[in-house]
Amino acid sequence: DVKVTQSSRYLVKRTGEKVFLECVQDMDHENMFWYRQDPGLGLRLIYFSYDVKMKEKGDIPEGYSVSREKKERFSLILESASTNQTSMYLCASTAWGDEAFFGQGTRLTVV
Amino acid sequence: RKEVEQDPGPFNVPEGATVAFNCTYSNSASQSFFWYRQDCRKEPKLLMSVYSSGNEDGRFTAQLNRASQYISLLIRDSKLSDSATYLCVVTTPRDDKIIFGKGTRLHILP
Repeated sequence: DVKVTQSSRYLVKRTGEKVFLECVQDMDHENMFWYRQDPGLGLRLIYFSYDVKMKEKGDIPEGYSVSREKKERFSLILESASTNQTSMYLCASTAWGDEAFFGQGTRLTVV
Repeated sequence: RKEVEQDPGPFNVPEGATVAFNCTYSNSASQSFFWYRQDCRKEPKLLMSVYSSGNEDGRFTAQLNRASQYISLLIRDSKLSDSATYLCVVTTPRDDKIIFGKGTRLHILP
């Protein structure tokens, strides 16, 4: 079974902190994605990567950065967390043109 | 026009009824299409892929209309457990970006 694992289910951070969200997949997928999901706004793409050390901005990259040093790991970084980044963060991975598999999500609260 | 559009609902449907939703997409070069189901506070999970010839899985039927650029999902004999949000997903060939619709909420009423 494909497994996509996110490092934390729930996280509480203070405004201004640097936050790391980690995502690991075990199916050798090329493509990995970070989304945030908010009520009424659906899933919004933050960043995606289709190869090691490659990254592409999604629809809402401001305030975020990413790192993909190894194929199986895609990290989302909040450089200086703000309260408007309180959200559910979902990581996904996929092979080309195939279905996406999601991690269980990280519910981040910034106080 | 948004890349992928869905009616957000909610669709309130009595148990046993048939319900259908559509999803429109703007990029005619889109290549792969899926329906995902998301339960409250859970991650989305694949419900079914959508093939050009249409496909059926039990009570669920998915269809693709390339000419009009939409996909559809039909649920027959709906069950209480079908209550969820259904997300339409489209991928584009150039960069394999996955684009999600905002989802359609379905409530099956006893």
